[in-house]
Amino acid sequence: DQQVKQNSPSLSVQEGRISILNCDYTNSMFDYFLWYKKYPAEGPTFLISISSIKDKNEDGRFTVFLNKSAKHLSLHIVPSQPGDSAVYFCAARNTGTASKLTFGTGTRLQVTL
Amino acid sequence: EAGVAQSPRYKIIEKRQSVAFWCNPISGHATLYWYQQILGQGPKLLIQFQNNGVVDDSQLPKDRFSAERLKGVDSTLKIQPAKLEDSAVYLCASSPPGPYTDTQYFGPGTRLTVL
Repeated sequence: DQQVKQNSPSLSVQEGRISILNCDYTNSMFDYFLWYKKYPAEGPTFLISISSIKDKNEDGRFTVFLNKSAKHLSLHIVPSQPGDSAVYFCAARNTGTASKLTFGTGTRLQVTL
Repeated sequence: EAGVAQSPRYKIIEKRQSVAFWCNPISGHATLYWYQQILGQGPKLLIQFQNNGVVDDSQLPKDRFSAERLKGVDSTLKIQPAKLEDSAVYLCASSPPGPYTDTQYFGPGTRLTVL
């Protein structure tokens, strides 16, 4: 049962353009969402998060949007840079289960010159 | 601030052999997690410790996997005996004290290949 889904396994974007990574979830008990970025041979690193009481959170070039009614969130990267090339994981936290995270399968972003 | 340390970085064993992984979390982090990441999938939580007590081990295959966190600091994860399907990256993460901490800090992982 995949509760967090990232349906696009890969995405290619030109440098300077916008990258949009999508994530869907099925569990209505999720109350906090995070995006992690992973380079090869490294562990995931935290990128940005959003609480279910908000619909947008922005940090520099990165913005996360949450649509609770659609159970959908997206990560926007503007402008995209070659160093953004990595695998991006969406993760969700379940209300009442402390800090347990459920991860999606990841989207590989490649930013081309 | 030093990050989460894991060793070894790579391990190749034959099926039915035993293997152990070690993790040293960020100093002061009370919560420690072990994840299994199979190729093409997201990390899956195996076990979560709060200090030296187990908070969640519902997805740990207890017939072959075991983990301990003595003294509430570093931790070991053991597989005995290993199966082919255990081939994966094993990630350790930690988070600072307090409930509902938002961010987990991951180590580089141990890539296990079972032949």
